Amino acid sequence: EVQLVETGGGLVQPGKSLKLTCATSGFTFSIAWMDWVRQSPERQLEWIAQIKDKSNNYATYYAESVKGRFTISRDDSKSSVYLQMNSLKEEDTAIYYCTWAGSWGQGVMVTVSS
Amino acid sequence: DIVMTQSPFSLAVSEGEMVTINCKSSQSLLSSGNQKNYLAWYQQKPGQSPKLLIYYASTRQSGVPDRFIGSGSGTDFTLTISDVQAEDLADYYCLQHYSYPYTFGAGTKLKLK
Repeated sequence: EVQLVETGGGLVQPGKSLKLTCATSGFTFSIAWMDWVRQSPERQLEWIAQIKDKSNNYATYYAESVKGRFTISRDDSKSSVYLQMNSLKEEDTAIYYCTWAGSWGQGVMVTVSS
Repeated sequence: DIVMTQSPFSLAVSEGEMVTINCKSSQSLLSSGNQKNYLAWYQQKPGQSPKLLIYYASTRQSGVPDRFIGSGSGTDFTLTISDVQAEDLADYYCLQHYSYPYTFGAGTKLKLK
């Protein structure tokens, strides 16, 4: 059974950083292309980042709204993908989901507020 | 960026009815290489993560009831739910994964009449 479990969310002040972790199981992580998607309080879904596998040189892609502030990375030995979020803004407040091939984790809440 | 225009915003239905949700992309989602449309449909119930219903515009995900039908090609796509059941009341989103950045439609809320 595919499992994706996000952790690391919480309340953070504007301008600060936070790192999300997605631990996975149930599929061959090393060849998986992994994505992060977020959902705003208004329920709008936004794709924010993708990382490909080793055979694709771990290529990364970002939404313009997070480019230069967020970094997606992975550790194939731990079957985990990460999202380092820097210079957080109030508009980054959302539920953050880790996804693979149509499967989604339960999501983790990130609230950016002073 | 590809803009996904989804309609309607909300829909009130009775059990047993048929409903249609539309999604229009600002560019074609049809790959000339494999003739597949990179369009997916998701269902999200309150308090849950989105669930994949349809991929490649018309292929039903394993375990999804056959009353969910995806159709369309190029820039115009439709999700049809025949014989709506109470358990189908949810939000529905389309997603294009043809080009970066991937983009979602704004969503359709299916409610009971």
